[in-house]
Order: sequence, then C-alpha cells, then structure tokens
Amino acid sequence: AAGVIQSPRHLIKEKRETATLKCYPIPRHDTVYWYQQGPGQDPQFLISFYEKMQSDKGSIPDRFSAQQFSDYHSELNMSSLELGDSALYFCASSSGPGGDTQYFGPGTRLTVL
Amino acid sequence: DQQVKQNSPSLSVQEGRISILNCDYTNSMFDYFLWYKKYPAEGPTFLISISSIKDKNEDGRFTVFLNKSAKHLSLHIVPSQPGDSAVYFCAASFSNNAGNMLTFGGGTRLMVKP
Repeated sequence: AAGVIQSPRHLIKEKRETATLKCYPIPRHDTVYWYQQGPGQDPQFLISFYEKMQSDKGSIPDRFSAQQFSDYHSELNMSSLELGDSALYFCASSSGPGGDTQYFGPGTRLTVL
Repeated sequence: DQQVKQNSPSLSVQEGRISILNCDYTNSMFDYFLWYKKYPAEGPTFLISISSIKDKNEDGRFTVFLNKSAKHLSLHIVPSQPGDSAVYFCAASFSNNAGNMLTFGGGTRLMVKP
C-alpha cells in the first residue's frame, strides 16, 4: 500500500540558510501533520492542515511556515536556520475528521551546521 | 507539564512471554489513543488504537486496554517476538475536529530476548 512520502530524506544546511521539506500524503488523505523530533525526544507537533486550511498549530517557530496545496501535498519552509533546528521532521497524513489514525512518513533528517 | 507519560523508559522481556507497556495521561478530554512502534531514524509505525467509548481493542498479538477513570492505557503483546524490539510510543488526541495533533508519551524501549 502507498505510504506517506517525504523528500528529501536528508538535508544539510548552514546556519541562517533556508530549507524546504516536502510531504506527499497517502492517496485520498486530506489532512497532513508536521512533527519535529529532537535527539532523545518524543515527536513534537508543529502544525496541521485539513482540506488546504490550517487546522491546528503547535510549537512552530515564527521562522517556519507551511502550507497544503491543491493536490494535498504539503511543504514546510524553514528560514534563518539555527543549530537547534537539527532534528528529524516527520509528516503524517489521515483521512477525514478527527479521530482518524495518523500514518507517518519516513522523516527528513535536517542537520544545521 | 507533560500530558502523556510513559514512566518506564525500558522493558526487557523473554521471547514468547507477554510484554506490557503502560501509559498515563492527565487531560480527561483526550478521547482517542494510539500506539506506535518506532525504529531509529524511521517514522512511527501505527500499531493499534482505541476510542474512549471502548475499554479494549484487539488486533492479532496486540491488545490495548483503556481505563478512563484511572486515565491509564496499556499495550499487551502476546507472545513477544524478537522482531518486536523497538521504541513504543503511546499518543493521545481529540476526535472533535480534523487535523488535531497527537500528544506523545516519552516512549518505552522494548527489548525481546531470544
């Protein structure tokens, strides 16, 4: 079965640079979520979109922005990167209103030097 | 304040025996709970979920129990297999809207010994 696709899988950036992470949800899923997992930590929710509208917002820095496009894929844009942004970034998708299971992608490992 | 807690950072079990992973939560408004299995540098893999209207859900070797009055849930794996060795996260959510976030516990590392 098709899963959530994330690209790139690995990304290395310098401080103060920008990065764009992409997420392609499972077909027919209309909701996408972004999570950040630092070393030794549990995943922390950043932001979600349902039917291309922002749905829920967590601890996402103002330097980050995201959107969901008409084909339901989503992009997380990160500017003025800091060393502390180094983490695994997961995208998840689900179908329909609340209570549905979120299926996670393999993640993008971002390293900021 | 952490709303979802997994108080055991690790658990070691013999192959063939039962593994019991525990999870506590503080927010009584949570009404949907999930367990995920995770390997290093990979995304969480969904295992099993339970709605607050139920107290038990079973899927093969995996059973989740929910005790709402105690705000406690547990995952039972029977029989445990070496391939079950991974980090297990419980997560909680609200089911009232689309796009509701998952709140994760800190994870429990399960080691199943042959």
